[in-house]
Amino acid sequence: GNSVTQMEGPVTLSEEAFLTINCTYTATGYPSLFWYVQYPGEGLQLLLKATKADDKGSNKGFEATYRKETTSFHLEKGSVQVSDSAVYFCAFQYNNNDMRFGAGTRLTVKP
Amino acid sequence: DAGVTQSPTHLIKTRGQQVTLRCSPISGHKSVSWYQQVLGQGPQFIFQYYEKEERGRGNFPDRFSARQFPNYSSELNVNALLLGDSALYLCASSLEGAEVYEQYFGPGTRLTVT
Repeated sequence: GNSVTQMEGPVTLSEEAFLTINCTYTATGYPSLFWYVQYPGEGLQLLLKATKADDKGSNKGFEATYRKETTSFHLEKGSVQVSDSAVYFCAFQYNNNDMRFGAGTRLTVKP
Repeated sequence: DAGVTQSPTHLIKTRGQQVTLRCSPISGHKSVSWYQQVLGQGPQFIFQYYEKEERGRGNFPDRFSARQFPNYSSELNVNALLLGDSALYLCASSLEGAEVYEQYFGPGTRLTVT
């Protein structure tokens, strides 16, 4: 069935380190792909999205590329900050209403 | 502009009771979706409503129901509460129901069933 597999956490990095959070999906067709971020005590916020193969979503220094051949949408950032500490969710939207989320990856960035 | 709002913020109920959660979408958004987020997991899709019609339903029992009002606000009802219903319930709105648009989430209602 349709599902999202996300890199397990928690992930702990030092400030200015490089971040990769892996995400792969299983779906028929070509869903739209998203990364959401959830800061402590807050709701989910859209971080970036890609709606077709080879699209690159980017925001706040984060990037992810829709890779159809590997069914992946890995999140990357070249230099993380303490303020990036949050839980990150990979998601895809299929059938235009059913959004499927991964389990989330908790990122902690230490000064 | 105000974002998606949800009420109440927190709620404590006992097993067997019924609960109603409320959501107001962003102004101009006609689609509302509900999600259940159990601690340590990603949100699970419950319902989507668009223009007061149910557009989608996730794998949840019939104890869960929802509706959307003419002003596009929405209520989620859960009957015969179980301990396993304890979770953060998220509401999200989007501009259209038939297109692929990003969803904007509210802060959630934390439901605890004892």
